Amino acid sequence: QVQLQESGPGLVKPSQTLSLTCTVSGGSFSSGAYQWSWIRQHPGKGLEWIGYIYFSGSTYYNPSLKSRVTISLDTSNNQFSLKLRSVTAADRAVYYCARGLGENDPSWFDPWGQGTLVTVSS
Amino acid sequence: EKVMTQSPATLSVSPGERATLSCRASQSVSSNLAWYQQKPGQAPRLLIYDASTRATGIPARFSGSGSGTEFTLTISSLQSEDAAVYSCQQYNNWPLTFGGGTKVEIK
Repeated sequence: QVQLQESGPGLVKPSQTLSLTCTVSGGSFSSGAYQWSWIRQHPGKGLEWIGYIYFSGSTYYNPSLKSRVTISLDTSNNQFSLKLRSVTAADRAVYYCARGLGENDPSWFDPWGQGTLVTVSS
Repeated sequence: EKVMTQSPATLSVSPGERATLSCRASQSVSSNLAWYQQKPGQAPRLLIYDASTRATGIPARFSGSGSGTEFTLTISSLQSEDAAVYSCQQYNNWPLTFGGGTKVEIK
């Protein structure tokens, strides 16, 4: 059964870059059947989709974050990563990685990683 | 961007009773709607996709209905372990968007 696990610093300074990695285990990371997304949740708020990457390397980002986001993948290590530049206190959230279906079509998410809280503070 | 609105914000239901949760889309999302359950400190868990298809391992007491702009998640006989926040998500268009969630409490 596929499992996803986020990792990365829990504290980032304002104006710096948030970097997180999601490690995928127990499944075919390079399978063309899936897309790999980042989603975040501000404390006590709803979920916000950040963007996704397909195994070919194609990406799609939420327009609200597009100017600051890069998602990349490392197929040799079954990982994909998120970089969010120029962070502010408003980027404090729990960040999840999750799997979707297909290449270009929007999808639901299953499964999800357990999430990691990132705080932005000097 | 399609805005998803959930109601009510909080729902208090007695064990064994029915819980009915609503999700409304600002524009039609066809049947491209999913429901998730999220317990405190946990990741969301997929319950329903394609508006009415239960995900693997989801109990039959969870059911989804609707299409277009109006959707409903029904928990037919609420169990204590169903206390959680339930969120809807549209995947008809990019960007993917979620509702703000409905918190289900056990009365």
